[in-house]
Amino acid sequence: AQSVAQPEDQVNVAEGNPLTVKCTYSVSGNPYLFWYVQYPNRGLQFLLKYITGDNLVKGSYGFEAEFNKSQTSFHLKKPSALVSDSALYFCAVRAVQSGAGSYQLTFGKGTKLSVIP
Amino acid sequence: DVKVTQSSRYLVKRTGEKVFLECVQDMDHENMFWYRQDPGLGLRLIYFSYDVKMKEKGDIPEGYSVSREKKERFSLILESASTNQTSMYLCASRQSGRKYEQYFGPGTRLTVT
Repeated sequence: AQSVAQPEDQVNVAEGNPLTVKCTYSVSGNPYLFWYVQYPNRGLQFLLKYITGDNLVKGSYGFEAEFNKSQTSFHLKKPSALVSDSALYFCAVRAVQSGAGSYQLTFGKGTKLSVIP
Repeated sequence: DVKVTQSSRYLVKRTGEKVFLECVQDMDHENMFWYRQDPGLGLRLIYFSYDVKMKEKGDIPEGYSVSREKKERFSLILESASTNQTSMYLCASRQSGRKYEQYFGPGTRLTVT
């Protein structure tokens, strides 16, 4: 079974400082990895994904994420946080191989990011 | 841009009522999904459909059913609503193929009293 852990329920960061939202995963074989953001009372918006290739993936709104296979991690990063980045962030994983559950995207429980002016 | 719409943003129903949540996508996506989102639990998959008239149970299908008669529309049905089904319901769609991301609708916040 595949799973995702987001070890921090909440992350606070000062505006202008770098931010990191952590994610670790467990999956059989190679993973497809995704980050989504959810603003209050809204659906989830896709930020970025890792499929293959370069371990550093760039996405929307200046976000990037680094895939680390040995540590089974896919942390979300941004060099300089904005107040408007305050939202709920979800990491998700899907196994590359076909088989049971191959349609399913397994989500973490989410991390609330608060950027303080 | 992909657009996924849900029939209601807010819905209040009484215990025992039959509830229909509708989702429509405009990008000819093969796969569609229904999730519920609860604080501290993240997103949990209720049902998904990989093609028209096809459906598969997700992690928490009990108390729910689905219908997909047309490619663009995926309906979630609560046969007899209960208070523990009070939640945010999110619909998503994606192109067939595991590397593709899902696109989400705005959500329906359902309250069952």
